[in-house]
Amino acid sequence: GEDVEQSLFLSVREGDSSVINCTYTDSSSTYLYWYKQEPGAGLQLLTYIFSNMDMKQDQRLTVLLNKKDKHLSLRIADTQTGDSAIYFCAETSGGATNKLIFGTGTLLAVQP
Amino acid sequence: GAVVSQHPSRVICKSGTSVKIECRSLDFQATTMFWYRQFPKKSLMLMATSNEGSKATYEQGVEKDKFLINHASLTLSTLTVTSAHPEDSSFYICSASPTSVLRETQYFGPGTRLLVL
Repeated sequence: GEDVEQSLFLSVREGDSSVINCTYTDSSSTYLYWYKQEPGAGLQLLTYIFSNMDMKQDQRLTVLLNKKDKHLSLRIADTQTGDSAIYFCAETSGGATNKLIFGTGTLLAVQP
Repeated sequence: GAVVSQHPSRVICKSGTSVKIECRSLDFQATTMFWYRQFPKKSLMLMATSNEGSKATYEQGVEKDKFLINHASLTLSTLTVTSAHPEDSSFYICSASPTSVLRETQYFGPGTRLLVL
């Protein structure tokens, strides 16, 4: 089956780096995504990485992809209290439907 | 760019009534729109994939007759929860996939919180 796993909770201090990890199962995924969800809101696309890339950096965000281990990570540099939210990784399920399979979500709590 | 809106943002209805939720892509055209359901502190569960001008594709376990989806134009999809019951109470989120570039990327609406009494 398709399972995308994440750790449930991460707590960091303001100014530190946060690393959120994700393992996925579908090796045919073309793109992998990171979404942010603030309380009571929809999902905000943060960044994505194409499956033939190892790393992508976008300002404070760095995405690392290890295709061999099917491991994806999101590093947030200089974490701020406004970064507190639930972070979901997602993979495309393959085929023509461009369906997304979401991870279980990681709650990031940033302590001032 | 890539803004998706949903209306209403929250709705309370009586058991047995029907509720329609609208999903609009405001600044792009979307051939494909998706409807998700999210339970408290849980991940998103895909309910159905909606393609403009054709019937929606429902995920296993999702009742087609209960969750009616219409995708009449490239910017609008609607989800109607028919004969709603308290167990249908949930957070419903739509997403839209642009017709051009990065076809597989989805942009999400802000969600609709449904409470059925």
